[in-house]
Amino acid sequence: DAKTTQPTSMDCAEGRAANLPCNHSTISGNEYVYWYRQIHSQGPQYIIHGLKNNETNEMASLIITEDRKSSTLILPHATLRDTAVYYCIVPPYMGRRALTFGSGTRLQVQP
Amino acid sequence: GAVVSQHPSWVICKSGTSVKIECRSLDFQATTMFWYRQFPKQSLMLMATSNEGSKATYEQGVEKDKFLINHASLTLSTLTVTSAHPEDSSFYICSALPGSGTSGSSSYNEQFFGPGTRLTVL
Repeated sequence: DAKTTQPTSMDCAEGRAANLPCNHSTISGNEYVYWYRQIHSQGPQYIIHGLKNNETNEMASLIITEDRKSSTLILPHATLRDTAVYYCIVPPYMGRRALTFGSGTRLQVQP
Repeated sequence: GAVVSQHPSWVICKSGTSVKIECRSLDFQATTMFWYRQFPKQSLMLMATSNEGSKATYEQGVEKDKFLINHASLTLSTLTVTSAHPEDSSFYICSALPGSGTSGSSSYNEQFFGPGTRLTVL
């Protein structure tokens, strides 16, 4: 998998937008960027993924830079239930389909 | 979204006994399922890839005779921890790939995770 770099931890005030960055400078042209999160003692939850265009769903928005070397996951109105570890993953274009989890970013939403 | 269940959600067993963990895809068929393990304060580590109707593929360092995987149907994979020891205590998580997917397609790597099984070996 293309290497990703995320901050270890971040804090966000409840109700404010949480912006979680991810660097993936070695990403190749056909590789997607996936975001998952893991709430304490639960299995990971799929959030969103994208290739080059910005994406939005009911959970979050994904902004990918034009050179695709970095991306930002945006939770528009963070709630306490969004406290979790967020993983940015860039799986290989073909072949291995398993996901490789790094350390992720521990997001703490403060009341 | 697609739902994956695991059973049991937690189990406590004595050292030397075997424990079976089930992973089911409830509303879709999955030819491929994955088993991960997560120790406290660490990230998920892939243990093995389970393919319906064929032998599982194990990651380096994972003992295939200790962690038996059976993927007998398109909706069920089981992980059996044989002769469990305290060092096997961990959080075991499965995931399932809906459909075969086409290499390079948007959904190629999209997978859905079970809630996890907490194993404690005394």
